[in-house]
Amino acid sequence: DTGVSQDPRHKITKRGQNVTFRCDPISEHNRLYWYRQTLGQGPEFLTYFQNEAQLEKSRLLSDRFSAERPKGSFSTLEIQRTEQGDSAMYLCASSSGTSGSFRNEQFFGPGTRLTVL
Amino acid sequence: QKEVEQNSGPLSVPEGAIASLNCTYSDRGSQSFFWYRQYSGKSPELIMSIYSNGDKEDGRFTAQLNKASQYVSLLIRDSQPSDSATYLCAVILDTGRRALTFGSGTRLQVQP
Repeated sequence: DTGVSQDPRHKITKRGQNVTFRCDPISEHNRLYWYRQTLGQGPEFLTYFQNEAQLEKSRLLSDRFSAERPKGSFSTLEIQRTEQGDSAMYLCASSSGTSGSFRNEQFFGPGTRLTVL
Repeated sequence: QKEVEQNSGPLSVPEGAIASLNCTYSDRGSQSFFWYRQYSGKSPELIMSIYSNGDKEDGRFTAQLNKASQYVSLLIRDSQPSDSATYLCAVILDTGRRALTFGSGTRLQVQP
């Protein structure tokens, strides 16, 4: 399978616990994105990496959220001190691209569904 | 005003008909436009991208872009029950950014 993969697919946690999600992008893609989607809404952007550099962060990404992409390969998204409002589907996407080009087709992984009790 | 707007639906069409899905966006400088299909409980799947004014066809799907009117649409010909899903319009609103801004999606129901 050469698509974007995410782990775990489902996570149930208690309020106040920390959780970490992993994303493995399509191997030749240098760009990686995290989005969050709640029921009935489109995905909302959280953060974006080009190689190992985190280039964009949404105001949705509070100080309880942190993302890394060491060595420009897989990425992790950590949520500290989870709250019930963090319950959502966390989606990872990847794309290839070159500077100066606005073509940026993003391919999504299956997502991690987080439930905070 | 939302940055990317779609009618939430549901849009109901009979099998074999043409389904027309519409999307408007707020940033006149936007250059990149995408349609994703999302089945219930699944992640979005890219079905079309369009970057220039006019029509782009891929199989039963046609994307239409009108930058002057800030309007992008998706036509699905010969609709099938398997096309029943939520269709998400996504736009890169600022040419200096890479993030997609999504509409809330239009739910399509194709009646057999």
